[in-house]
Amino acid sequence: AQSVAQPEDQVNVAEGNPLTVKCTYSVSGNPYLFWYVQYPNRGLQFLLKYITGDNLVKGSYGFEAEFNKSQTSFHLKKPSALVSDSALYFCAVRPHGGSQGNLIFGKGTKLSVKP
Amino acid sequence: DTAVSQTPKYLVTQMGNDKSIKCEQNLGHDTMYWYKQDSKKFLKIMFSYNNKELIINETVPNRFSPKSPDKAHLNLHINSLELGDSAVYFCASSQPTSGSWDTQYFGPGTRLTVL
Repeated sequence: AQSVAQPEDQVNVAEGNPLTVKCTYSVSGNPYLFWYVQYPNRGLQFLLKYITGDNLVKGSYGFEAEFNKSQTSFHLKKPSALVSDSALYFCAVRPHGGSQGNLIFGKGTKLSVKP
Repeated sequence: DTAVSQTPKYLVTQMGNDKSIKCEQNLGHDTMYWYKQDSKKFLKIMFSYNNKELIINETVPNRFSPKSPDKAHLNLHINSLELGDSAVYFCASSQPTSGSWDTQYFGPGTRLTVL
């Protein structure tokens, strides 16, 4: 079965430190990969995506993610966390050739950045 | 201007009632979606419409009926509401043409509480 795993329910980071939110996937073929962020009581906002090309993808708010095909991972990173980055982060994958809109979401990781 | 809007933002109702949630997008997108986010924040697609035609219908009870009067609107009607329908419902839209690959834009959500 095709799936997305976010192994950590919560990640705690001190402000100014680097952060990593992990994501691994299991799909057939080459995946299209996405990260979304959800602030409290808000809808999801698109952060970045990997379709093809350079494995390191840069997105909004200073976030980046690295596609690693051999490890089937797409971890989200930021060199220096801000308190305002505290939110719920979702990794999502669309299998290559999947039906239109067929995004599979991970269960989400809560990021907490302390001052 | 709000890109994807939903009304109402909050909906509290009794079991057995019928209710509707409205969604509108002003992005000119052809594809719209409904997602359900449960109390554990798990996000799952329910329906997807492309140019007013249903293209995804996950295993959703037939008490849920999407209606798309035009490609800018996708409303969700729910009959005979049950306690388990309590969740946050998100509308989203995308334009899956070359280069955009399912970057979905989400509405703010409708929190449905069934008593």
